Amino acid sequence: EAQVTQNPRYLITVTGKKLTVTCSQNMNHEYMSWYRQDPGLGLRQIYYSMNVEVTDKGDVPEGYKVSRKEKRNFPLILESPSPNQTSLYFCASKPGHGGYGYTFGSGTRLTVV
Amino acid sequence: GIQVEQSPPDLILQEGANSTLRCNFSDSVNNLQWFHQNPWGQLINLFYIPSGTKQNGRLSATTVATERYSLLYISSSQTTDSGVYFCAVIRGTDKLIFGTGTRLQVFP
Repeated sequence: EAQVTQNPRYLITVTGKKLTVTCSQNMNHEYMSWYRQDPGLGLRQIYYSMNVEVTDKGDVPEGYKVSRKEKRNFPLILESPSPNQTSLYFCASKPGHGGYGYTFGSGTRLTVV
Repeated sequence: GIQVEQSPPDLILQEGANSTLRCNFSDSVNNLQWFHQNPWGQLINLFYIPSGTKQNGRLSATTVATERYSLLYISSSQTTDSGVYFCAVIRGTDKLIFGTGTRLQVFP
């Protein structure tokens, strides 16, 4: 089944403890992106990647890192999580630039205490 | 930047009713998608519809790009249709810009 897989689905962690949220797609998509969703603020783009080794900042990149060493994987790294990074995170992918729609992962609900 | 507004913000229906959700956007866009966020928080892609009309079962969507709006039709609504419906436009570096959402509640 064609899908975007995120792990974990739920995570509670403590301030300052490094964590990684994994994202993997099995559709050979070039374009991948991370979004966070917060009440009253909607969904905002964190980082995106147009292809392997090509990444760029979105609207809210502070406190996050990404890497794209393989086409299928696009992990989101929080080096030193803080409570304001408590959010619902989504990974998404699409075939390439232009006329294609996005496929979203199931989301990761992160709580930083 | 581009504004994406959805109406109505909230909608309460009884099972079996029909509804129309609207998405207005303030500038030209490359593409448009409709999503359903279910009560568990998952974002489900409903339609990729930069223009024209598409149908999938009880759902259909129409985008009139020249007039900068899109409509999502839900017929014979079911309780499983409950959740938040988002339209999102794609601009520039393929970034999705989400609308404000319509929260739908369907009661038996």
